[in-house]
Amino acid sequence: GAGVSQSPSNKVTEKGKDVELRCDPISGHTALYWYRQSLGQGLEFLIYFQGNSAPDKSGLPSDRFSAERTGGSVSTLTIQRTQQEDSAVYLCASSSPANGYEQYFGPGTRLTVT
Amino acid sequence: KNQVEQSPQSLIILEGKNCTLQCNYTVSPFSNLRWYKQDTGRGPVSLTIMTFSENTKSNGRYTATLDADTKQSSLHITASQLSDSASYICVVSFGSPGYKLSFGAGTTVTVRA
Repeated sequence: GAGVSQSPSNKVTEKGKDVELRCDPISGHTALYWYRQSLGQGLEFLIYFQGNSAPDKSGLPSDRFSAERTGGSVSTLTIQRTQQEDSAVYLCASSSPANGYEQYFGPGTRLTVT
Repeated sequence: KNQVEQSPQSLIILEGKNCTLQCNYTVSPFSNLRWYKQDTGRGPVSLTIMTFSENTKSNGRYTATLDADTKQSSLHITASQLSDSASYICVVSFGSPGYKLSFGAGTTVTVRA
């Protein structure tokens, strides 16, 4: 596809359950980012992957959050034992040094924890 | 405390009118400043990017200004259209190599016929 895609678009889960959110970056983009957007708040950085380098996990809010990027392409953000405060839109972006690291965003996954 | 503050939080304008959105930042070291447009249910889309040395950048009816001395930026929308209804987010890139972004909370613009 031409842009960043994310799935699912919406996810409703019960408190305490684990969820996995998927991101397919633009083909050839070496950098991938995860953000969280809560209602009325600015986007919050979660994690950054760049090529084969160790990811920057400095934004992950707790050890219930983890992410991996397989084969330098698709990424999965996993939230374990979800809490109601995890409810938010989770956005993924990718970028390439070829375009000055301009970040292209996916449509996001809206997560609702009941 | 958020390092990127935007105002107003929201505004309503009539189709065809102009409006200006404000952004103040304290992020350092500054790499570049971006304005994004986010339609409801979509991811943000870049409108303009300005480096330290640039003080104005246009993209169609959108014109962004930057005063790096006062750490202020504005986004001016000319002759607004209904499709301009969206959230406009000011984003400051900092650090090296400049991949870390600090986001404002956004200004929600509603254009009415």
